[in-house]
Amino acid sequence: GAGVSQSPSNKVTEKGKDVELRCDPISGHTALYWYRQSLGQGLEFLIYFQGNSAPDKSGLPSDRFSAERTGGSVSTLTIQRTQQEDSAVYLCASSLARDRAAFFGQGTRLTVV
Amino acid sequence: TQLLEQSPQFLSIQEGENLTVYCNSSSVFSSLQWYRQEPGEGPVLLVTVVTGGEVKKLKRLTFQFGDARKDSSLHITAAQPGDTGLYLCAGVDSGGYQKVTFGTGTKLQVIP
Repeated sequence: GAGVSQSPSNKVTEKGKDVELRCDPISGHTALYWYRQSLGQGLEFLIYFQGNSAPDKSGLPSDRFSAERTGGSVSTLTIQRTQQEDSAVYLCASSLARDRAAFFGQGTRLTVV
Repeated sequence: TQLLEQSPQFLSIQEGENLTVYCNSSSVFSSLQWYRQEPGEGPVLLVTVVTGGEVKKLKRLTFQFGDARKDSSLHITAAQPGDTGLYLCAGVDSGGYQKVTFGTGTKLQVIP
């Protein structure tokens, strides 16, 4: 596609439910990132995929969070047993190579009620 | 863990004023990127600096990469209301993993 696509754009879920957030990166981009952003704040790193290397999961806040990237393309971020503190905008970005720009999707706004 | 601290965290200035945003780390990066984010959108790349001491100008914006490639600054001359947004620096890992680490962000408001 022309840009990074994320779905859904908005998600309201009840506390305790599981959610899946999807990211379609730009075709051919080997690097894919997930970040979390609270209102007006900076980006909190969650996970990084680079080619066929093992992902860097060091930013995942708890074992309720997991992510996978199938076939080096589409990625899914899963949050199990959601909590109210999980409410945020979840941003996905992809990048072609070193020193290249990270292109961001518009994010998924998650609200846990 | 690589950390990038930005200062100030918030900045509210009048149109026409100058300002500087700083991005500091104890880690060395292969390159440093600056992004601007507007409400409801993802961050958009403004510039990438690669060489220690490099200075790049983008109209009224001047970006500098520190000699040791650990810090950077963004200077805006004669700020305009359209400059309002969240400014994020991002360091690219100097190792082979090429991971991008984002700074804490500077929220800029330019008042007409």
